[in-house]
Amino acid sequence: AQSVSQHNHHVILSEAASLELGCNYSYGGTVNLFWYVQYPGQHLQLLLKYFSGDPLVKGIKGFEAEFIKSKFSFNLRKPSVQWSDTAEYFCAVNAFTSGTYKYIFGTGTRLKVLA
Amino acid sequence: KAGVTQTPRYLIKTRGQQVTLSCSPISGHRSVSWYQQTPGQGLQFLFEYFSETQRNKGNFPGRFSGRQFSNSRSEMNVSTLELGDSALYLCASSSSGALAKNIQYFGAGTRLSVL
Repeated sequence: AQSVSQHNHHVILSEAASLELGCNYSYGGTVNLFWYVQYPGQHLQLLLKYFSGDPLVKGIKGFEAEFIKSKFSFNLRKPSVQWSDTAEYFCAVNAFTSGTYKYIFGTGTRLKVLA
Repeated sequence: KAGVTQTPRYLIKTRGQQVTLSCSPISGHRSVSWYQQTPGQGLQFLFEYFSETQRNKGNFPGRFSGRQFSNSRSEMNVSTLELGDSALYLCASSSSGALAKNIQYFGAGTRLSVL
């Protein structure tokens, strides 16, 4: 069965530190990849997406992610985190399976940034 | 444009009872998906409705059911509640159904506590 793995469940960083959150998926076909973010007390919202083309995609608030097809990975990065980046981050894959497209989410990574 | 609206925001029920949750999608969106969010499990897909038809279904027992009305509003019902059903239930809408590139827009969720 298709799955999405986020290996870091909790990450604590100081402000200005660099961030990389891992995301791996198990699916051999064409995939569309997303990172969603849930700030405390707010709705889950789209951070960035990859459909095709340049495997390095940029999202809101200085986040970027790199799609590495050979590694089935879509890791999220930010060179310098801020206290306001404290949130839960979810990687998601939209893949064609059983005759339709299905969204599959990872279990999430809770990021805490210390001021 | 109004976002995805979920009601009620909080619910407390006892084991054995049933509950109905409501979701109003963004105007013009015809697809509504439901997810169960619990700590450590991430978002577990329940089902997706498009134009009043259930198009996708996750691996949840038959106690979980849903429907969609002609105005795209959706309801989710859980019968014979169990303690393990305590979770945040999220609704997401998108402009189209089972397409690869659809972006999901989430509501604030309904937090269900089963005592």
